[in-house]
Amino acid sequence: ETGVTQTPRHLVMGMTNKKSLKCEQHLGHNAMYWYKQSAKKPLELMFVYNFKEQTENNSVPSRFSPECPNSSHLFLHLHTLQPEDSALYLCASSQVGLGNEKLFFGSGTQLSVL
Amino acid sequence: ILNVEQSPQSLHVQEGDSTNFTCSFPSSNFYALHWYRWETAKSPEALFVMTLNGDEKKKGRISATLNTKEGYSYLYIKGSQPEDSATYLCAFCSNDYKLSFGAGTTVTVRA
Repeated sequence: ETGVTQTPRHLVMGMTNKKSLKCEQHLGHNAMYWYKQSAKKPLELMFVYNFKEQTENNSVPSRFSPECPNSSHLFLHLHTLQPEDSALYLCASSQVGLGNEKLFFGSGTQLSVL
Repeated sequence: ILNVEQSPQSLHVQEGDSTNFTCSFPSSNFYALHWYRWETAKSPEALFVMTLNGDEKKKGRISATLNTKEGYSYLYIKGSQPEDSATYLCAFCSNDYKLSFGAGTTVTVRA
């Protein structure tokens, strides 16, 4: 148990669907992240929120829409995705932000887009 | 995106044997180097965060060294056990606090 909970663990969606991924951290951290892992590729940073403010958007397509209502919750809203968006989506949190502060990861959502 | 290379991509180790693998990263704009262990069906878990050239960290049978001048870090596993089977990720943190991950080294320990 890392203190970071992601739901759902698995998601299958069609290209016209709208779905949301949820992440919750119980560690009192003030920074939260969305990462994407495609097969055989390194973890790819998508979004960073520090103190609920988005500080990083790594050229992510607008069909991915993050929401951070408070420092403990992070959502990733998905709409009109493409099959190439099928991947593992990981949420992470840390205190203060990136640096020598280690990341605490959730278990991820395995997403399949049909 | 910075170039962080891990080698080998995968390796198989006999139980009881020791092994090591490499993370290469840019030698400029260094802030920190992270190592994570990622077991199947679990979350990546931080092993070490290293910040100083020449740093050595140890956690049980796992240790890591850091050379920031030449841009590499080694992770060592002494006396491998089946529970050491995992993918080991390194991540380079530049001095603008951006973290770039390598693709990982997958270790399989055979009983």
